[in-house]
Amino acid sequence: QQQVKQSPQSLIVQKGGISIINCAYENTAFDYFPWYQQFPGKGPALLIAIRPDVSEKKEGRFTISFNKSAKQFSLHIMDSQPGDSATYFCAAPGGTSGSRLTFGEGTQLTVNP
Amino acid sequence: NAGVMQNPRHLVRRRGQEARLRCSPMKGHSHVYWYRQLPEEGLKFMVYLQKENIIDESGMPKERFSAEFPKEGPSILRIQQVVRGDSAAYFCASSPSGRYDEQFFGPGTRLTVL
Repeated sequence: QQQVKQSPQSLIVQKGGISIINCAYENTAFDYFPWYQQFPGKGPALLIAIRPDVSEKKEGRFTISFNKSAKQFSLHIMDSQPGDSATYFCAAPGGTSGSRLTFGEGTQLTVNP
Repeated sequence: NAGVMQNPRHLVRRRGQEARLRCSPMKGHSHVYWYRQLPEEGLKFMVYLQKENIIDESGMPKERFSAEFPKEGPSILRIQQVVRGDSAAYFCASSPSGRYDEQFFGPGTRLTVL
């Protein structure tokens, strides 16, 4: 089984600031850790993902930092923009074959102009 | 290439009625997953299907819920005798291979039970 714990539940930052969301997982059998972004009324969309052969992955303003020994990974949003306001979910593979994704509870990010 | 399609987008049912949610995967995708999102919560896995087969239904409630993915046509999530606690957003994701790193989500069906 897989358990994923995400924090904080909500986050408010000013435009241009750094948003940081944290995630902890239990099952180390799999090697893929994604972050999804969800806008109200929409489905989750893959934002960025990391495999544990690297400790950090950067795509534009979004960075995942991965700490394998602590079983934690985090999302950093640099130069946060009002358009980044959304709910963010971390996830990790679970189930016997890892085919399902186990999601965190979500972080509602608000970026004030 | 069209994305994952779900219909209806909004569904209102009275208690005791049946709800049928449809999911058409992306072209070339033969693996479908259903997730449920209760208000203010994360997504919870329900069932994983491949064409004509249920691979993993460990997240599905034991009663009233069923899912199928026939050889032809969309995947169907069926909820019989709906109750107010079934009100949620139901998301379908599809994958070409069943790999966990290739799941693409649809826009969801928002079910409201009166």
